[in-house]
Amino acid sequence: GAVVSQHPSWVICKSGTSVKIECRSLDFQATTMFWYRQFPKQSLMLMATSNEGSKATYEQGVEKDKFLINHASLTLSTLTVTSAHPEDSSFYICSARDPARGQETQYFGPGTRLLVL
Amino acid sequence: GENVEQHPSTLSVQEGDSAVIKCTYSDSASNYFPWYKQELGKGPQLIIDIRSNVGEKKDQRIAVTLNKTAKHFSLHITETQPEDSAVYFCAATRFNDYKLSFGAGTTVTVRA
Repeated sequence: GAVVSQHPSWVICKSGTSVKIECRSLDFQATTMFWYRQFPKQSLMLMATSNEGSKATYEQGVEKDKFLINHASLTLSTLTVTSAHPEDSSFYICSARDPARGQETQYFGPGTRLLVL
Repeated sequence: GENVEQHPSTLSVQEGDSAVIKCTYSDSASNYFPWYKQELGKGPQLIIDIRSNVGEKKDQRIAVTLNKTAKHFSLHITETQPEDSAVYFCAATRFNDYKLSFGAGTTVTVRA
């Protein structure tokens, strides 16, 4: 299947700092990538949809100024958590859509665990 | 929007037995239904999917069935093995929407 990577796999930061997470599609071009957030023992919550070359679309309740998304190329999307606070600690997962394997099919990255102290 | 309900929330089976997870969806326009397996600390892995023009799909020990009329779909795992232990999520989306609506997840434990 299609391979999606994320970097870093985990990060610890101090409250008030910003953290950038990268999501890459390794063997396909992804016109659309998605960013999810997952709390322990809960389902995935979609934060935003990232389209290459255009502004991201955020889900209701997600602060776009706090969670900055950039999709600069067909293989890379980044999520920056600005002025992170302890309540932002979570598991962040990206996915990418590979149109060649089916319009709707999404492949997920391994996730990034963020801990804000 | 789409609402996906998933049952049961936990499932414990004896190795070699079958496991069945059921999901219902609310949007009759949904036409794509993937199943993901998530192991502890990892991202979800697509294990099988089905589109609304098909009633059943099988891949080795895994099968998915879809009942469009009743708006429910199910995951069947036969001959379960310890490595099948994980959290399984169902999801649904409609054509050209691409946003997945996920069920709450089922924690499957296979007892050796």
